[in-house]
Amino acid sequence: GEDVEQSLFLSVREGDSSVINCTYTDSSSTYLYWYKQEPGAGLQLLTYIFSNMDMKQDQRLTVLLNKKDKHLSLRIADTQTGDSAIYFCAEKGEGSQGNLIFGKGTKLSVKP
Amino acid sequence: DVKVTQSSRYLVKRTGEKVFLECVQDMDHENMFWYRQDPGLGLRLIYFSYDVKMKEKGDIPEGYSVSREKKERFSLILESASTNQTSMYLCASSLAQGEWDNQPQHFGDGTRLSIL
Repeated sequence: GEDVEQSLFLSVREGDSSVINCTYTDSSSTYLYWYKQEPGAGLQLLTYIFSNMDMKQDQRLTVLLNKKDKHLSLRIADTQTGDSAIYFCAEKGEGSQGNLIFGKGTKLSVKP
Repeated sequence: DVKVTQSSRYLVKRTGEKVFLECVQDMDHENMFWYRQDPGLGLRLIYFSYDVKMKEKGDIPEGYSVSREKKERFSLILESASTNQTSMYLCASSLAQGEWDNQPQHFGDGTRLSIL
């Protein structure tokens, strides 16, 4: 079945760039999403990319999509302590009727 | 902005009790979802609904049921709570669109449920 994989942890220093990676198996994915979850809170939609794009930039966030390798990444420039959170990658498959397949989340720790 | 409201942030119940978790969205979304989140397991889909009075089982429906009597409200019911249902429960909603359309899910703040 469909699957989305992420590494579980990432640690960076404040001011550095963070890159969170995600791989997925469904070649018919139409949209891919990045969500952020701060401690004790729900998931907040950060950004998304349509499958016919290979890059999307939104302020400090850059999303790269390699559809051939089914690889998605989220780059956060000038990472701040407020970026410490769990980041989830999710995909919407063709004909999924709104269901998203989520990765297990990458916990980003930002050290001062 | 979409607002998804879960009735309780924290809830403590006893084994065997019938537990209701409520979720309300204010954006007229057709789709609503219930997930549970456990460390190391990520989000797991319990039930979802595409319309009023409709429900579909997700990946882990055992021990749960749902109710969708009104479009804006989706309730998760633990028929007889057990300690292994201690978890963070997240509700989400999304607009029904075509299969090629963008359909992000919007989440509530979650309910941390403890079963003693």
